[in-house]
Amino acid sequence: SQQGEEDPQALSIQEGENATMNCSYKTSINNLQWYRQNSGRGLVHLILIRSNEREKHSGRLRVTLDTSKKSSSLLITASRAADTASYFCATDVQGGSEKLVFGKGTKLTVNP
Amino acid sequence: DAGVTQSPTHLIKTRGQQVTLRCSPKSGHDTVSWYQQALGQGPQFIFQYYEEEERQRGNFPDRFSGHQFPNYSSELNVNALLLGDSALYLCASSTIKNIQYFGAGTRLSVL
Repeated sequence: SQQGEEDPQALSIQEGENATMNCSYKTSINNLQWYRQNSGRGLVHLILIRSNEREKHSGRLRVTLDTSKKSSSLLITASRAADTASYFCATDVQGGSEKLVFGKGTKLTVNP
Repeated sequence: DAGVTQSPTHLIKTRGQQVTLRCSPKSGHDTVSWYQQALGQGPQFIFQYYEEEERQRGNFPDRFSGHQFPNYSSELNVNALLLGDSALYLCASSTIKNIQYFGAGTRLSVL
């Protein structure tokens, strides 16, 4: 079963614009991670935010986490055509389980 | 430093056949997890191996089995293939309680 649900399912923007993707989940978590996937290939880890953190930055990426609302957002600033990919949030459920539970992803298209 | 490597890249099988997929973890990693990703969906956890034993299992039938070798590499076996087993199979390696790094995947088509 899917734990996370990304929103929107698809997003199309122009190069230079910011892209915001949201993720909601159902149960308490240890961590929430964001991954990128190009053209149905392997997943690339972008950023991990722990349940006791509220915001984290990495380069052009900004992730927020609101555990009271069970939601997270990923902001990509100054997007580039190379950012075109599917983005997934993944959670590991609190209680010791280390399996990652993924949402269905947001397909981002950045037009040059 | 090689990352996670999976073989083969693509595979075509017919219903009822058996398939074995292989994964070599990133150097220094001792835990291997397998995921199935159907078209247009997020990856679904199959199972995780640590110290050559299945540590956790997702909601997959017994037709899906695995193995981890002393060098930490791993195999995923699927018996009695069904059309619905067509998917991208992803292997991820990690050290316990750390970030999982994914391979490029094996795309399995069942005809």
